[in-house]
Amino acid sequence: GNSVTQMEGPVTLSEEAFLTINCTYTATGYPSLFWYVQYPGEGLQLLLKATKADDKGSNKGFEATYRKETTSFHLEKGSVQVSDSAVYFCALTTDSWGKLQFGAGTQVVVTP
Amino acid sequence: GAGVSQTPSNKVTEKGKYVELRCDPISGHTALYWYRQSLGQGPEFLIYFQGTGAADDSGLPNDRFFAVRPEGSVSTLKIQRTERGDSAVYLCASSQRAASEETQYFGPGTRLLVL
Repeated sequence: GNSVTQMEGPVTLSEEAFLTINCTYTATGYPSLFWYVQYPGEGLQLLLKATKADDKGSNKGFEATYRKETTSFHLEKGSVQVSDSAVYFCALTTDSWGKLQFGAGTQVVVTP
Repeated sequence: GAGVSQTPSNKVTEKGKYVELRCDPISGHTALYWYRQSLGQGPEFLIYFQGTGAADDSGLPNDRFFAVRPEGSVSTLKIQRTERGDSAVYLCASSQRAASEETQYFGPGTRLLVL
């Protein structure tokens, strides 16, 4: 079956530091890949997505590239802010109708 | 516009009781999904509706769980004979159409606690 593995948190870093959250997957077929974010006290919201190999998703300074050869979709941001403190979820779907499978989430804490 | 709303935001019940959780999707969204999120875990798929019909209920854990969407808009997740293990945050999401590349918009969730 399909699965998503992401690095365990919490990840603690200082403002303006570089952030990487690793995400790897196993899937049958060709999945679409997503990063969702959950800010404190808020619901899940889509951060970025990529639907085919070598696509790069980007939003709010975050980027992730769909790497089929390494089955990865690592999330990066060059300079984090305190407001980026949240839980980040990597997810995939292989179903034509969009059923999502999530990783366990990675908590990121950015300190001033 | 209004996002996905879920009621109640919190529900405390006793073991063995029946509960209903409601989801109001974004107007015009034909696809609706229910997920369950246990503490420290990512959401897990429960059921998906396309219009009024449950197109995939493979994630429902057992026959105590049931969901409906009678008019193709609001959906209700029903749990009979609740157990302590049902305690979790129940999330609803909707999308304009059911497709792998479509964005799903999530509600704030209903936090269910079974005592």
